[in-house]
Amino acid sequence: AQSVTQLDSQVPVFEEAPVELRCNYSSSVSVYLFWYVQYPNQGLQLLLKYLSGSTLVESINGFEAEFNKSQTSFHLRKPSVHISDTAEYFCAVTSVSGAGSYQLTFGKGTKLSVIP
Amino acid sequence: DAGITQSPRHKVTETGTPVTLRCHQTENHRYMYWYRQDPGHGLRLIHYSYGVKDTDKGEVSDGYSVSRSKTEDFLLTLESATSSQTSVYFCAISESKDTQYFGPGTRLTVL
Repeated sequence: AQSVTQLDSQVPVFEEAPVELRCNYSSSVSVYLFWYVQYPNQGLQLLLKYLSGSTLVESINGFEAEFNKSQTSFHLRKPSVHISDTAEYFCAVTSVSGAGSYQLTFGKGTKLSVIP
Repeated sequence: DAGITQSPRHKVTETGTPVTLRCHQTENHRYMYWYRQDPGHGLRLIHYSYGVKDTDKGEVSDGYSVSRSKTEDFLLTLESATSSQTSVYFCAISESKDTQYFGPGTRLTVL
């Protein structure tokens, strides 16, 4: 069984300031990790993912996340946020192996509010 | 964007009535999923399908059934809707483990 903990339900931050959204996971097997973003009244969009290789992964809009196996974390960071980054962010995990394990387990989400 | 549509997009119904939500994909992906989203709970898996006529339960399957008679369609049925099933329902599809693509959602209100 897997679980995901997003440590902050809401994060307010001023425009152009840096932000970190925290995610920890629990799993007894190897995992793939994901961050999804949900803008108001929309579905979820994949922001970035860690499958293997370099532990630092980046998105096209300036976000990055680092897989830390020893700390079982996959925190999301951006050095300078924009108003348009206001959204809810979900961390998710799936196991690498095993039949029927294409299921994603989601955290409860972190609402990022960017203040002008 | 992946070709996923959900219908209806909004529905209001009364307790005890049956409700069917439809997810339609044009990507020919093997796997399809139904999630519900509730404040403070994130997304929770209801049921999923790994092929035509092949389905399995997720974390919160009680009160829901699914059917998949064609690759492109995955139906979610609430046999007798209850107020606790008021939620936003999302369909997702995938062909591999590295990405699930989500539909626009259906907002269901059970009065």
